[in-house]
Order: sequence, then structure tokens, then C-alpha cells
Amino acid sequence: GAVVSQHPSWVICKSGTSVKIECRSLDFQATTMFWYRQFPKQSLMLMATSNEGSKATYEQGVEKDKFLINHASLTLSTLTVTSAHPEDSSFYICSARGVVGGVRNTIYFGEGSWLTVV
Amino acid sequence: QKEVEQNSGPLSVPEGAIASLNCTYSDRVSQSFFWYRQYSGKSPELIMSIYSNGDKEDGRFTAQLNKASQYVSLLIRDSQPSDSATYLCAVVKNFGNEKLTFGTGTRLTIIP
Repeated sequence: GAVVSQHPSWVICKSGTSVKIECRSLDFQATTMFWYRQFPKQSLMLMATSNEGSKATYEQGVEKDKFLINHASLTLSTLTVTSAHPEDSSFYICSARGVVGGVRNTIYFGEGSWLTVV
Repeated sequence: QKEVEQNSGPLSVPEGAIASLNCTYSDRVSQSFFWYRQYSGKSPELIMSIYSNGDKEDGRFTAQLNKASQYVSLLIRDSQPSDSATYLCAVVKNFGNEKLTFGTGTRLTIIP
């Protein structure tokens, strides 16, 4: 299957600092990437949708100035958590949509990134 | 009413039996339906997708869709301990807007 890679897999940062998470589609061009957050024992909550070359569309209740999303190319999107606080500690997952194996609009998930803010 | 509803479980099934997972959705215009498997601490993995009414089989997995009843299910035959995971139902409302809306997931445990 298609590969979507996230980096780092886990990160610990101090409160008040910023953390950047990368999401790459390794073997297909992702016209759209999605960023999710998942707290323990809860489902995935969509944070924002990003299309290559344009501004991200944020879901209601997600602070766009806190969670900066950049989708500079068809294979890379980044999520930067600015001025992180302990309540931002969560599992962040990206997914990418593209044409994979001739099947349009298939969505694949990255491995996820665990963020712990101390 | 939640957009996508699942019984959170846990659902316990003996090894070798059939596990049946259910999901209902609220928006009639929903077009695409997916089942993901998520192991603890890991990212979701796509198991099945289904777009039209009826059954779709892939190995030990069968997805069933009934748009009139707004119901989608996943059957796992010959359940294995490795099938123990949380199963997430996800729905896309319309083509061109591929936002997945997830249910809360059903935790499945296969008992050896």
C-alpha cells in the first residue's frame, strides 16, 4: 500500500516552545492532507484540511494561529504547534489523499506523532 | 445525535468465531464508507471501503452497506487474536470533499 510518513514519531517539549511535525507522502502526490488529533481512548478529531499551495481550512474550535499548517508541496505538509502547553499533549496523525494504484481519492494515514508537553 | 455512531464495546469474540461490528450514520447524503483498524498507540489502518449497497468481501472481512437504513457493518470471519484492536467506522459525505468523519470506535477482543 501507499506510504505516508510522519516525523518525529514522538517528541517531548517544554511548555511554551514550538514543535513541528512533518507528514510526507512517499510514493504518491497528495493533493490534500488532513491533520487529526486523538486523545487517549477517544476517536480521531479532524483539525484541518490542507491543499497544496493554499491556506489550510480549520475545523471549528481549532485555533489556526496555534496550529500552523503548511502544505508547500504535493508530498509534504507540516503542522507546527506554537507555544505548546500540557493540554496540547496528544497523538497527532496526518492523512494524505491522492491517486494510488489507479484508485482516485484513496486516503492513507501516517504513523502518527506522540507529543508530550512538560 | 452524533454523525457516526458505534458501540464502544468492548466486544469479546472467541477465536475462530465471526465478529460483527456495526455503525450508523446520520447524514443521508453520505457517499463513502470505510472501516479502519487501530491498534493501541498506532495510527489507523484501512481495512475496507464500500460505496454502494450490498456486501463487499476481502479475505476474512466483509463490509455491508444499507443506505436506506443508514447502516454499515463489518464482519470478520475466523477471528484471530491479532484482530484484537479498535475498529473505527468513517464516513465521507460527498465526492470532492474527502473529510473523514469517524465514529468513536469499537474495541474488539478475540479470546484464544
